[in-house]
Amino acid sequence: EVQLVESGGGLVQPGGSLRVSCAASGISVSSYYMNWVRQAPGKGLEWVANINPDGSARDYVDSVRGRFTISRDNAKNSMYLQMNSLRGEDTAVYYCAGGPGWKFGLWGRGIFVTVSS
Amino acid sequence: DIVMTQSPDSLAVSLGERATINCKSSQSVLSSSDNKNYLAWFQQKPGQPPKLLIFWASSRESGVPDRFRCSGSGTDFTLTISSVQAEDVAVYYCQQYHSSPITFGQGTRLELK
Repeated sequence: EVQLVESGGGLVQPGGSLRVSCAASGISVSSYYMNWVRQAPGKGLEWVANINPDGSARDYVDSVRGRFTISRDNAKNSMYLQMNSLRGEDTAVYYCAGGPGWKFGLWGRGIFVTVSS
Repeated sequence: DIVMTQSPDSLAVSLGERATINCKSSQSVLSSSDNKNYLAWFQQKPGQPPKLLIFWASSRESGVPDRFRCSGSGTDFTLTISSVQAEDVAVYYCQQYHSSPITFGQGTRLELK
């Protein structure tokens, strides 16, 4: 079965750090652009970051630039999001998504990240 | 940033009726280099991740029923569900991937009347 599976979410205090992972199975994502998209409770979708297939180019939404770092390990068929200096407004379900070219054709089921004291 | 504005925010239609959702971008998402509209549509059902329906503004993703169609170019797009089925109840989002940051519309909730 082709799937993306996120892991590493949970509760973290404001100002804290967390790393979430996305592991692909049933398909190699080494040639895909990969993305993180988040959805705050009861809200819409917000693109967070993406990374090109070889990891040489990364892009971020302004609200996380300088605090979050996206990375990937193609040998492990995985992608990561290191989140530092977390704020309450970062509370959301974080989805990994990707596909050939710019297609967001493959999505994980999401992982909750809650920033609260 | 390109702002994506969907209308309406919600709509209710009867089974078998047509549903129309509009998406307007604050700047053109048509690329002059390849003449493609960098516009996608997603469907999200409660408790599920989004599902890609349409990319390049008019190409249906594999497995998506042909009752889902998108028209438009440049800044104005329309997603039409020709004959709404019960399984189409969801929130629909448009997305532009023409310029960074990638942005989504606020979503349109489709319900059954």
